[in-house]
Amino acid sequence: SAVISQKPSRDICQRGTSLTIQCQVDSQVTMMFWYRQQPGQSLTLIATANQGSEATYESGFVIDKFPISRPNLTFSTLTVSNMSPEDSSIYLCSVDGGSGPQHFGDGTRLSIL
Amino acid sequence: GIQVEQSPPDLILQEGANSTLRCNFSDSVNNLQWFHQNPWGQLINLFYIPSGTKQNGRLSATTVATERYSLLYISSSQTTDSGVYFCAVVYAGAGSYQLTFGKGTKLSVIP
Repeated sequence: SAVISQKPSRDICQRGTSLTIQCQVDSQVTMMFWYRQQPGQSLTLIATANQGSEATYESGFVIDKFPISRPNLTFSTLTVSNMSPEDSSIYLCSVDGGSGPQHFGDGTRLSIL
Repeated sequence: GIQVEQSPPDLILQEGANSTLRCNFSDSVNNLQWFHQNPWGQLINLFYIPSGTKQNGRLSATTVATERYSLLYISSSQTTDSGVYFCAVVYAGAGSYQLTFGKGTKLSVIP
């Protein structure tokens, strides 16, 4: 199964700033996904990132707030822009397993002061 | 979109007890996974089980795809089993690849 490294594992940021989260996979994958988990809630898909094309965002998420890059088949970044306390969440990346399971990184725990 | 409902939402067990967690989904799926989220927020893959039955130690899972439900069995529970258990599915429709999560079952195992 794919090994996914996500950085940073946690951060505390000031409101109004931006943070970029990195997701590195040890094998080439077609599809990568970014999820948000707000405190005490379930996981919600932010967007799907395919290499060589614009990310596809779910309802309620916009590119200006959550820009995503996918420069190659093993790497993606998610930026949380102009952060407010409501952005305090765990952000997780996952990779499509083809005909098998999806695999998740360990997540980035983000707190906004 | 597809709906995923988990029950019960909360469960408190005495150590050593058995439990069954349920996941109902509203449409055909080609992927169903059970996860355990530990207190540090890590999401641990338990089972990939779009159909059939699997066992891994004290845990087992059964998915009856035709009736649109899955069950996760935990036997002889331990305090380390505490956390939130999520069921997640991928709708079997064309062009659908993302997981849709249920709201989870929060399990607390007390000594």
